[in-house]
Amino acid sequence: DAGVTQSPTHLIKTRGQQVTLRCSPKSGHDTVSWYQQALGQGPQFIFQYYEEEERQRGNFPDRFSGHQFPNYSSELNVNALLLGDSALYLCASSLVQGTGNTIYFGEGSWLTVV
Amino acid sequence: AQSVTQLGSHVSVSEGALVLLRCNYSSSVPPYLFWYVQYPNQGLQLLLKYTSAATLVKGINGFEAEFKKSETSFHLTKPSAHMSDAAEYFCAVSPSNFGNEKLTFGTGTRLTIIP
Repeated sequence: DAGVTQSPTHLIKTRGQQVTLRCSPKSGHDTVSWYQQALGQGPQFIFQYYEEEERQRGNFPDRFSGHQFPNYSSELNVNALLLGDSALYLCASSLVQGTGNTIYFGEGSWLTVV
Repeated sequence: AQSVTQLGSHVSVSEGALVLLRCNYSSSVPPYLFWYVQYPNQGLQLLLKYTSAATLVKGINGFEAEFKKSETSFHLTKPSAHMSDAAEYFCAVSPSNFGNEKLTFGTGTRLTIIP
């Protein structure tokens, strides 16, 4: 059973460019959340998708947007990249129904903005 | 709003010694608390979680944590450190035990094991 998979694992972009990161949730999971982890910091919640809609959002500007597809996979898009967007972007998946559901994380996508 | 504070960004212990990583929380509702571990260049792996069923929680790899409401703490311990425990550890809090809740993380504690 594959866990949460993310692509690409590493990428380098130039300031002002746009980037798309992809995530496939763990089998059976219907909810995808995205987190940003800057160097030396803990992950920070960006937003969460369920039923192809953004359900919760953290304190991130509109430059950060996302999408969830009918197969529950998700994309994170960041426009007009800034140097400060350099970070590890983590995708997490879970099952919205019921309690006690573990949230699983992928290995992340390392984004470097130069 | 919820938050967690991890005391000590770096902790070093000798192999075989007790590991103690500190986490204090702030929450206006009964919290659900988690410890995650992150090995170099990897994602986050759940070590254990507190969901109000028991105050002493046992996790994987010999780790455990005790929820102390009076001290607003959820410290992580392991009786005997192993070289493979070297990693970054994150404490996190959420307002419920539902799978769609967001996690609020601390800034992490880097654990170094001295041979």
